[in-house]
Amino acid sequence: GAVVSQHPSWVICKSGTSVKIECRSLDFQATTMFWYRQFPKQSLMLMATSNEGSKATYEQGVEKDKFLINHASLTLSTLTVTSAHPEDSSFYICSARQGQGYTFGSGTRLTVV
Amino acid sequence: QKEVEQDPGPLSVPEGAIVSLNCTYSNSAFQYFMWYRQYSRKGPELLMYTYSSGNKEDGRFTAQVDKSSKYISLFIRDSQPSDSATYLCAMSAGGTSYGKLTFGQGTILTVHP
Repeated sequence: GAVVSQHPSWVICKSGTSVKIECRSLDFQATTMFWYRQFPKQSLMLMATSNEGSKATYEQGVEKDKFLINHASLTLSTLTVTSAHPEDSSFYICSARQGQGYTFGSGTRLTVV
Repeated sequence: QKEVEQDPGPLSVPEGAIVSLNCTYSNSAFQYFMWYRQYSRKGPELLMYTYSSGNKEDGRFTAQVDKSSKYISLFIRDSQPSDSATYLCAMSAGGTSYGKLTFGQGTILTVHP
């Protein structure tokens, strides 16, 4: 089946630094990928839609300058959390559509200290 | 009012029980309905995908959609301890919103031996 690989699975960074999260479709091409954020015991909230070769589309309330998304190829999308702060600590998950439904990465747990 | 409402539980059942999970929604534009299972600190795993009213069965899982009532359900027969996880309903509209999933809050299920 379709596999979406996400790295790193967890990361701890200092406040003020930037963190990059990668999302790769391993056996299929994904012109569109989606980035979600999930707080503990809460559901997934869509942050942005990543389109290959064009600018990402951000959901209302999501700062595009803080959460930089790059979708440079049909198999790779990256999310960079810039100038991270403790309130950015969360579980970030990417997904891509493959056939019916959407395949999700394994998620990245970001802790900003 | 949230677009998608899901009882967070938690739900605890004995092994072998039939489990019923439900979601209601308010956006009549939703056309595609999914159920995901999420283990702790992992990305969601697609269980069922449907786009029409009625029932869809896959092994021990049955998805039910009633568009007139804006109500979807997931039934798990002969539940197993390995079914213990958080179950998320998700929905998507077509057109320009295609691919953007709106999730329910998730129901925490525990199946005890």
